[in-house]
Amino acid sequence: KAGVTQTPRYLIKTRGQQVTLSCSPISGHRSVSWYQQTPGQGLQFLFEYFSETQRNKGNFPGRFSGRQFSNSRSEMNVSTLELGDSALYLCASSYTGTGLNTEAFFGQGTRLTVV
Amino acid sequence: DAKTTQPTSMDCAEGRAANLPCNHSTISGNEYVYWYRQIHSQGPQYIIHGLKNNETNEMASLIITEDRKSSTLILPHATLRDTAVYYCIVRGGNEKLTFGTGTRLTIIP
Repeated sequence: KAGVTQTPRYLIKTRGQQVTLSCSPISGHRSVSWYQQTPGQGLQFLFEYFSETQRNKGNFPGRFSGRQFSNSRSEMNVSTLELGDSALYLCASSYTGTGLNTEAFFGQGTRLTVV
Repeated sequence: DAKTTQPTSMDCAEGRAANLPCNHSTISGNEYVYWYRQIHSQGPQYIIHGLKNNETNEMASLIITEDRKSSTLILPHATLRDTAVYYCIVRGGNEKLTFGTGTRLTIIP
């Protein structure tokens, strides 16, 4: 079956702009998590959505937001972009995210460059 | 904060078994040990996970000590394509995956 699909793969934006990234999870998966990866900070958790509700949230400013649709597809939005937002943004999906025995599968990521 | 400690880097000869250790001395009874790897500029790839019994799949074996305070990921016959950063993660319930700095494994021809 198809894996996790993230679009676009690459993006260049200017400081102050906003950006929306998209993630289509594996069919049947209801949990979608977002991560930011930078050389200095590594992989950091942004937030998780399950059944259209945000279930977990990391320590990122309010400029970072997300949502999940009824078909489990998710989007994340970053407003008022800063140079430090340049990163690889990764999406992971899992069947439920609940319980103790559920692995998450990652997409290839969207590489955002802010200039 | 990550709940695990891993060596920063390791080398392994091609064709040999690669043994990657992980310490998780504060693991609680309902937490699983997960292993992921990330090849340069790609998304992390799930490898294996376990609770207290040893686990094996087509990619690797996971050996968890009886007291569950440490574990070892074993790649039985390492190839050049196994060169990656390997992350050991302890996770329970609905918790997020918390990635540490991982072990950079280099397979040497």
